[in-house]
Order: sequence, then structure tokens, then C-alpha cells
Amino acid sequence: NAGVTQTPKFRILKIGQSMTLQCTQDMNHNYMYWYRQDPGMGLKLIYYSVGAGITDKGEVPNGYNVSRSTTEDFPLRLELAAPSQTSVYFCASSYLSGQGPNTEAFFGQGTRLTVV
Amino acid sequence: KNQVEQSPQSLIILEGKNCTLQCNYTVSPFSNLRWYKQDTGRGPVSLTIMTFSENTKSNGRYTATLDADTKQSSLHITASQLSDSASYICVVPMLGGGNKLTFGTGTQLKVEL
Repeated sequence: NAGVTQTPKFRILKIGQSMTLQCTQDMNHNYMYWYRQDPGMGLKLIYYSVGAGITDKGEVPNGYNVSRSTTEDFPLRLELAAPSQTSVYFCASSYLSGQGPNTEAFFGQGTRLTVV
Repeated sequence: KNQVEQSPQSLIILEGKNCTLQCNYTVSPFSNLRWYKQDTGRGPVSLTIMTFSENTKSNGRYTATLDADTKQSSLHITASQLSDSASYICVVPMLGGGNKLTFGTGTQLKVEL
């Protein structure tokens, strides 16, 4: 199993540009998540999905959109990139709810995004 | 306010030495607490998950403790190795919070020769 795979690993965007961060998992997990990690801060939840066709907002959803058309894929869309979106983005997945005591979340390697 | 606070912020130790990292949380209600290891440029990897009924849990050279009464957890690393250099993150789920995991800011550990 490859686990959780994110692409690209690095990206530089100009203000106002749009892009999609790709995330795919091959563990047949129902739950998928997008986090951002800013320097010196804990990871913050952007969006999450409990299954194909179902998505919901996390703590910091503004400026982002997601879709979940398949169990495997959970892309994150930035429509109008802003400098405040410069961050490292992590996709994660878990079999059961990531809050449960008998499950763990598996993370991708991250996408480092810079908006200039 | 649901928070997870970790100390120290950073730590440098010599190879072979032991160290203990601290985590205090105010998340309520409480179900479980996780410790993750995050190598530079990588995603976090789970070290251990502890429920409120567990006091101690080991994973190789890593031993986590939990005191649910005082809302404190610690991660003890024994006989440190260079590969232990990483950020160690304490995570507590906020039940009913829309699958929200409250992440601490991490302790940056550096193991030197």
C-alpha cells in the first residue's frame, strides 16, 4: 500500500491564481481530511469528508473548496490564492472517525505552497 | 477553550540520553490522546493513542503516560538516537466537534552526537 499520496510536493502561486492539491489513499478509508500547518502553529482542519459524496467544513475553510467523488480521492481547491494561504498542507485519512480511540489518522507527506 | 499546550518548545540532547516531553490539555469531554512524530518535511506519524483508562503505554523506546485527572500527558524517550530528531506533537480529539483534532504546537527535539 502506498498509503496517502499528495501531489504536488511544492508549488509557488501568484496572487489570484487557482490550483488543486491532489490527495489519494489506497487503504479504503472512509474518512479523509485536509489540514494546514503554519510555522509555530498546530495543524488546523480545513475540510473533512466522512465518505464519498459527503464533505464538511473544519476550522479554517474560507478560501478553499473540496469534493469527494470517490472513496480514494479528496482534492482541495484554492480558487483565488492569497498570501495568507502560504502554508504546508497535509491530507490525512482514517478508517473510522479520526476522533475514535481505536483508530489513527494516516498523513500524506505534505504540499508546501507559497503564494507571492 | 479547548487547548493543547506542549513543553518545552524545543530541546537538544546528546545521543543515548533520555528525555521527557510534556503535554497539558483542556479539551473536554475527553476520549483519547495521541502522540505523533513529525520528521522535517514529512507528515505526522502516530506513535501511540491513549484512552482515559490507560496510564502508561509503550512503543519501543517511547513511553507515554496519561493522568486524566490533571489532564497531563508525557512522552518519555529512552536511549535517544539521531533518528529521534523530529517534532513531537500531542493531539486530543474534540468530541462532537466535527471530527476536529486539537493539535499542540509540538516539541522540536534535536539529538546530537
